[in-house]
Amino acid sequence: GQNIDQPTEMTATEGAIVQINCTYQTSGFNGLFWYQQHAGEAPTFLSYNVLDGLEEKGRFSSFLSRSKGYSYLLLKELQMKDSASYLCAVTDSNYQLIWGAGTKLIIKP
Amino acid sequence: DVKVTQSSRYLVKRTGEKVFLECVQDMDHENMFWYRQDPGLGLRLIYFSYDVKMKEKGDIPEGYSVSREKKERFSLILESASTNQTSMYLCASSRGTSGRGTDTQYFGPGTRLTVL
Repeated sequence: GQNIDQPTEMTATEGAIVQINCTYQTSGFNGLFWYQQHAGEAPTFLSYNVLDGLEEKGRFSSFLSRSKGYSYLLLKELQMKDSASYLCAVTDSNYQLIWGAGTKLIIKP
Repeated sequence: DVKVTQSSRYLVKRTGEKVFLECVQDMDHENMFWYRQDPGLGLRLIYFSYDVKMKEKGDIPEGYSVSREKKERFSLILESASTNQTSMYLCASSRGTSGRGTDTQYFGPGTRLTVL
């Protein structure tokens, strides 16, 4: 079956750096998304990776290794407003989007 | 900015009632989706539509139907609500230029449905 694994919950300190991992086993690969979802709100797009490597966008970066079935989202200079769930989603060979359960990130002062 | 709106943020219904959830997008997107989100599970696709009057079943279509009479509007219908349909329902849309799974999806705020 198709599977996406993310840690359920992580805690980090304001101003620090945190890395949220995502591993996937899917039938084929056509891209990987990261979305952010604040409690009670809609998911919003953060990044899309289709090639290996690191993509940086301000305080957020996303890394992909297709050979390892692995991605991570790196958040720098953490702020309290970064407390949210982070959803990893993979597009398989049939162009279906497979969603992970999300990682709840708690930021402490 | 893309805007996706949903008819209700919170809804309480009784078992057996017919429930309508409406979603409207204002960016002329081809694709629209209905998901449910439950604790500990990823988003699960109920139905999606890639054009007016077109629909395809997602992973969990049982107990649901959909309607897309106009491009901007996608409705989810629970024919006879049951307690196991208590969930957060999220609508999304995407441009649909390169396949439904590779375009960024834009989500509505969600409807938290409770079936008693």
